[in-house]
Amino acid sequence: EDQVTQSPEALRLQEGESSSLNCSYTVSGLRGLFWYRQDPGKGPEFLFTLYSAGEEKEKERLKATLTKKESFLHITAPKPEDSATYLCAVQRMTTDSWGKLQFGAGTQVVVTP
Amino acid sequence: DGGITQSPKYLFRKEGQNVTLSCEQNLNHDAMYWYRQDPGQGLRLIYYSQIVNDFQKGDIAEGYSVSREKKESFPLTVTSAQKNPTAFYLCASSFRNLGQLHPSGANVLTFGAGSRLTVL
Repeated sequence: EDQVTQSPEALRLQEGESSSLNCSYTVSGLRGLFWYRQDPGKGPEFLFTLYSAGEEKEKERLKATLTKKESFLHITAPKPEDSATYLCAVQRMTTDSWGKLQFGAGTQVVVTP
Repeated sequence: DGGITQSPKYLFRKEGQNVTLSCEQNLNHDAMYWYRQDPGQGLRLIYYSQIVNDFQKGDIAEGYSVSREKKESFPLTVTSAQKNPTAFYLCASSFRNLGQLHPSGANVLTFGAGSRLTVL
């Protein structure tokens, strides 16, 4: 069964203090790995898709990387507006067309001024 | 602006009642999904629909029902058979099945703002 484990569960950062979030996964054949941002009481918002080991993507202060067993979301010089829960999800390579996602529990990030 | 509208945002249910959560999208997406989110757990799939008048059970479909009579709408009914319905419910849609790539190369889920259901 596919498994996605995110760590840490919660992270408190000072503004400007860079850090990384981890998403470890077990899946038989990875089709894609997705990162979402979720603000309290709202739906997740898409950030990145990574397809193969070694791939990297960046958006403002966020950078996502992928290896064969895990993905990292690096937050460089965070600002208070980066406070959110970050969700990771994996999609298995399957013969059916439906492509179900398996989500991790998320990492809650709080950035203080 | 295109998006997904969920209503109501907050809903309270008494024991033994059925309640229906609304989900409407104007993104012209073919596929729609319902997820449940509980504290400390990943999103869990309840039902999904790839086309009108067709839907499939997800991982936790017991106690829930859906319909897909229109492309834009995918309402979820939480029945009295659902023993622990208190949760945050998220509706999502995608261009097609997630197994198919969008012409841009990415086929991702777009989520609504969610509905929080509390059992009294």
